[in-house]
Amino acid sequence: EADIYQTPRYLVIGTGKKITLECSQTMGHDKMYWYQQDPGMELHLIHYSYGVNSTEKGDLSSESTVSRIRTEHFPLTLESARPSHTSQYLCASSARRGTEAFFGQGTRLTVV
Amino acid sequence: SQKIEQNSEALNIQEGKTATLTCNYTNYSPAYLQWYRQDPGRGPVFLLLIRENEKEKRKERLKVTFDTTLKQSLFHITASQPADSATYLCALGSDYKLSFGAGTTVTVRA
Repeated sequence: EADIYQTPRYLVIGTGKKITLECSQTMGHDKMYWYQQDPGMELHLIHYSYGVNSTEKGDLSSESTVSRIRTEHFPLTLESARPSHTSQYLCASSARRGTEAFFGQGTRLTVV
Repeated sequence: SQKIEQNSEALNIQEGKTATLTCNYTNYSPAYLQWYRQDPGRGPVFLLLIRENEKEKRKERLKVTFDTTLKQSLFHITASQPADSATYLCALGSDYKLSFGAGTTVTVRA
């Protein structure tokens, strides 16, 4: 079982609210990733980090922001949630370039 | 633009047969390629990694090949079982990014 945790697992929130999705790993991995996945669809990389104080945008444009102040923590924030943000958000980490990625259970976000 | 393409159609096979999945890519020079399994509602789980200088890798009933000239990887599940039913994703890695294909859904009939 991978030591990477996402909270909450499910979140239903109203339009315009600010939300933060939490992701923590206890493996000391430098690389961390956020993916967005709609049901039955592919994973889209929205943010990644290769270490503390480094964050980069991924392949899919996203209105979310991330921070990496500590190695183990990579939260994702939406300043003003909209129904178009409804999706599953998956966090992952890897030790270094070229090694396997470990995924969390995901957060299923519904914005009403 | 960079593109990763997997078998667009789902694969339905009889138990005991070999499933072969394809991953093609364009405008990439990946240092490595990985295969993952994803079950509904869950995050992907790593299966195999193959590097650009490797041709083939095996793990139990799984085999992956990597042809950087053709820009293609093949993933084989031999002696398939109903428990192998899932969506299989290929992922390409370069620098610090790891990008995924859309996946191929495999259903193994008993």
